[in-house]
Amino acid sequence: GESVGLHLPTLSVQEGDNSIINCAYSNSASDYFIWYKQESGKGPQFIIDIRSNMDKRQGQRVTVLLNKTVKHLSLQIAATQPGDSAVYFCAESRSYNTDKLIFGTGTRLQVFP
Amino acid sequence: DAGVIQSPRHEVTEMGQEVTLRCKPISGHDYLFWYRQTMMRGLELLIYFNNNVPIDDSGMPEDRFSAKMPNASFSTLKIQPSEPRDSAVYFCASSFGLAGGTGELFFGEGSRLTVL
Repeated sequence: GESVGLHLPTLSVQEGDNSIINCAYSNSASDYFIWYKQESGKGPQFIIDIRSNMDKRQGQRVTVLLNKTVKHLSLQIAATQPGDSAVYFCAESRSYNTDKLIFGTGTRLQVFP
Repeated sequence: DAGVIQSPRHEVTEMGQEVTLRCKPISGHDYLFWYRQTMMRGLELLIYFNNNVPIDDSGMPEDRFSAKMPNASFSTLKIQPSEPRDSAVYFCASSFGLAGGTGELFFGEGSRLTVL
């Protein structure tokens, strides 16, 4: 089942290429940011997080960059694979709490062989 | 662990009927969240519990919505009476801790509700 609407921004990449998904957050007081991945018919799944005292954090094949000056967050996926096809959400919150997570509208990533 | 378990996965009902969605959080998690996902509004937090106690229900849209958590392993979200605009995917999520935590909410697979 579809989890989100038909008018999501979509990023199409070829398998093996790097992907960059961008997110503009709204609240300058937000100090904790998270990326979630949602595959069709499933719930969102945590990918990586970053606190406001950092500007970069790396995981396995993923890197999150935070630019507080322009309130911009990005998720970089190296060597994108077909299994990376999903909708990606950024979420922001204040005071490192997950009870006030505000989710963005999402970006659909399509990976072509 | 089986993860967060939600039921039913799909529900189709008629306007005016009562709908009950169920959730079993991950064992040992002390926070439980109910989210709603729609095309227009994305993911919205409806209510969350800490140690079975409702902490913030400010996201519950109307009095027609109610949620309970009678014990650490079970929660329900009830809509009575249901309306077509309640059609959405309802997610339950659980986590261990909040402040200083990793932010890793564990979501269930969702309950897709269609109200005709």
